[in-house]
Amino acid sequence: QVQLQESGPGLVKPSETLSLTCAVSGYSISSGYYWGWIRQPPGKGLEWIGSIYHSGSTYYNPSLKSRVTISVDTSKNQFSLKLSSVTAADTAVYYCARDRRGAWFDPWGQGTLVTVSS
Amino acid sequence: QSVLTQPPSVSAAPGQKVTISCSGSSSNIGNNYVSWYQQLPGTAPKLLIYENNKRPSGIPDRFSGSKSGTSATLGITGLQTGDEADYYCGTWDSSLSAGNVVFGGGTKLTVL
Repeated sequence: QVQLQESGPGLVKPSETLSLTCAVSGYSISSGYYWGWIRQPPGKGLEWIGSIYHSGSTYYNPSLKSRVTISVDTSKNQFSLKLSSVTAADTAVYYCARDRRGAWFDPWGQGTLVTVSS
Repeated sequence: QSVLTQPPSVSAAPGQKVTISCSGSSSNIGNNYVSWYQQLPGTAPKLLIYENNKRPSGIPDRFSGSKSGTSATLGITGLQTGDEADYYCGTWDSSLSAGNVVFGGGTKLTVL
């Protein structure tokens, strides 16, 4: 059974960089699929951030691309998100999920709330 | 403003059937697979339907998906109170050169 678990600081200051990691268990990242990040501001809908393949190939949401870096560590079976120059608008629950190259996401991690505030 | 348009809310009585629409364009739904997600209160989204009309293992056949042209529909029969949730459609959008994954704004289902 594939499981994903997000981890990282729950509070980030404005203008700083948000960093999260997603640990995958029950499946080897190197076996295939893309691995993605999706966020959900409080009370709002879903927004895809970007995804990565085990080879390191990435694709990003064009509206966030200039601030996003997604990387993968196959030795630890995890992938990470960095979002720079954050503002209050980046406050959201951040989810990681297995990504069938944009066609569908399954399963999802439980999500982690990141608040941007001084 | 979401690229995919869903009704903000729908409601029906227990045991009844409900449909949730997802409207897009030729750059997204018209030429790509649609997926549907259920988000129960306080939990992560869960895949309900993929590739327009396929159900992952463990999803009951009360849930169905269809696509026609630039619109997709999620159907739920035999409504249960446990079906109260937010439902999202998603697909690939190729209107920009790089492409993008897009979701609908979500539909809140109330089982009266």
